[in-house]
Amino acid sequence: RKEVEQDPGPFNVPEGATVAFNCTYSNSASQSFFWYRQDCRKEPKLLMSVYSSGNEDGRFTAQLNRASQYISLLIRDSKLSDSATYLCVVSYSSASKIIFGSGTRLSIRP
Amino acid sequence: GAVVSQHPSWVICKSGTSVKIECRSLDFQATTMFWYRQFPKQSLMLMATSNEGSKATYEQGVEKDKFLINHASLTLSTLTVTSAHPEDSSFYICSANRQGADQPQHFGDGTRLSIL
Repeated sequence: RKEVEQDPGPFNVPEGATVAFNCTYSNSASQSFFWYRQDCRKEPKLLMSVYSSGNEDGRFTAQLNRASQYISLLIRDSKLSDSATYLCVVSYSSASKIIFGSGTRLSIRP
Repeated sequence: GAVVSQHPSWVICKSGTSVKIECRSLDFQATTMFWYRQFPKQSLMLMATSNEGSKATYEQGVEKDKFLINHASLTLSTLTVTSAHPEDSSFYICSANRQGADQPQHFGDGTRLSIL
């Protein structure tokens, strides 16, 4: 079993829809959690950190469930520009070890 | 602005050439940097962890003699692909983070390597 797992998708949703994806992790010692987006042929860019209490940044909401060992990303009122691959990242031991999920592809259609 | 700089962005060279890629943290010191490789339509794969002042830690299946990593200072790590062949053509990316367990990774722009 992979340490960090994501549904690869693709998720194909209409513009304006709400979409959510989860990421599960297997190591309960995991300390920090992040969502990144990666556009085709580009480097990953930080979308948001994920805090224990959950956090929101505009149309994006991230949540952490330590008991069930997953993090989630919710995108409301999706835009065409949200089309990308979304990577979840888990780190532990003072960020000396980081694990990437394989990414979830999201495609927003007009 | 960018906090991690990677150079060069694009390399095209003949088979057998060795290629050096630089990764610099611009406004912070990084005792650890990470090197990744990504093939088209595939996920990012961690190749190695670069440790300042000591040997890099390579992931399983990554040849350390093929991919030489040097982390000679707190702001610079280099990856050298030795005697590159067409199968080494890929997108190579580095990352680093500021000190602290809750600090995210910042990525360089990546280097697209094409071996003819």
